[in-house]
Amino acid sequence: GAVVSQHPSRVICKSGTSVKIECRSLDFQATTMFWYRQFPKQSLMLMATSNEGSKATYEQGVEKDKFLINHASLTLSTLTVTSAHPEDSSFYICSAKVPYSYEQYFGPGTRLTVT
Amino acid sequence: AQTVTQSQPEMSVQEAETVTLSCTYDTSESNYYLFWYKQPPSRQMILVIRQEAYKQQNATENRFSVNFQKAAKSFSLKISDSQLGDTAMYFCAFIPLRGSARQLTFGSGTQLTVLP
Repeated sequence: GAVVSQHPSRVICKSGTSVKIECRSLDFQATTMFWYRQFPKQSLMLMATSNEGSKATYEQGVEKDKFLINHASLTLSTLTVTSAHPEDSSFYICSAKVPYSYEQYFGPGTRLTVT
Repeated sequence: AQTVTQSQPEMSVQEAETVTLSCTYDTSESNYYLFWYKQPPSRQMILVIRQEAYKQQNATENRFSVNFQKAAKSFSLKISDSQLGDTAMYFCAFIPLRGSARQLTFGSGTQLTVLP
């Protein structure tokens, strides 16, 4: 199957700082990528849909000014957690959709810890 | 809106035995796909098996098979000859074919432990 990478895999930042997470589709072009958040022993919660060249679509309850999403190319989407607080600590997962297909491939996830 | 329900938060099975994980869903769509994903301790999401709703034949992938009952909106996963490496969280998921976003709706997950 196709490969999706995420960087970094783990990040620790201080409260009030911003952190950027990258999601890359390595061997296909993804016009649509998705960002999820997952708490321990829970399911994936969709945060937003990232569309190349246009604004992201955020799910209800997700603060768009706090979780900035940029999808500037067909292989890269970034999630920036601005002014991070300890409650933002979580596991963040991206997925990339193969164009004209139902197939999505998931990145390995990023564990964010805000101290 | 679609909902996916997994009523078994945790299950365990002896190595080499067979186990069935349950999933029900609710939708007004007639055309959709259903999936089972596995999330091992590494937390990488891995596609286990998929089922197209328009296909009556149940999907099979090696030791993994599904029992798809469209009228009952049920989609269970059977794992035969369970192996220690099958220990993981299993998520049932749904995608409608209508619409361009192709957003997955996940169930709450079932933690499966394979016992030696």
